[in-house]
Amino acid sequence: GDSVTQMEGPVTLSEEAFLTINCTYTATGYPSLFWYVQYPGEGLQLLLKATKADDKGSNKGFEATYRKETTSFHLEKGSVQVSDSAVYFCALEKAASGGSYIPTFGRGTSLIVHP
Amino acid sequence: DGGITQSPKYLFRKEGQNVTLSCEQNLNHDAMYWYRQDPGQGLRLIYYSQIVNDFQKGDIAEGYSVSREKKESFPLTVTSAQKNPTAFYLCASNRGPKVVYNSPLHFGNGTRLTVT
Repeated sequence: GDSVTQMEGPVTLSEEAFLTINCTYTATGYPSLFWYVQYPGEGLQLLLKATKADDKGSNKGFEATYRKETTSFHLEKGSVQVSDSAVYFCALEKAASGGSYIPTFGRGTSLIVHP
Repeated sequence: DGGITQSPKYLFRKEGQNVTLSCEQNLNHDAMYWYRQDPGQGLRLIYYSQIVNDFQKGDIAEGYSVSREKKESFPLTVTSAQKNPTAFYLCASNRGPKVVYNSPLHFGNGTRLTVT
């Protein structure tokens, strides 16, 4: 079935370091792909999305490119800040019964940024 | 402002008691979802509803029940049959189930349930 695999955390970086969080997926068809972020004690918020191959989603300095050939959607940021410390979830819309699609998530990757 | 409201933020119950978690949205979204979050396991889908008066089981529906009598509301009942109910529960919604919408989820801030 459709699924998402993320790199395990925590990822620990110093401020201004380069960030990559890997995400690969298995899916039938061409799902939309998403990155969500969760700050402590809160729900998830959409960070960025891409709906077709080679699309690049971007927001708040984060980017991810939908790579169909490698079934990947890696999250990157050129210079992280302490305020980026959070848990990041990769997600896709999974095919369900009746021709509909429901969101399914990876396990999440915790990012810790030190000053 | 539109959004999703979950209440209460913290909930404590004794083992053997049923408990209902509230989820209300004013985004006019058709679809609503309940996820359970445990450390190291990400989000797991409990139930979802794509239209009023209809809902489907997710990956871990055993020991839970839901209703969808109004578009705005999707309460989740954790029954005494749920073996490990202590967790963080998240409610979410989006415009609908069709891929053409490419509609991301909007989440509430969650309810942390502790059962002792």
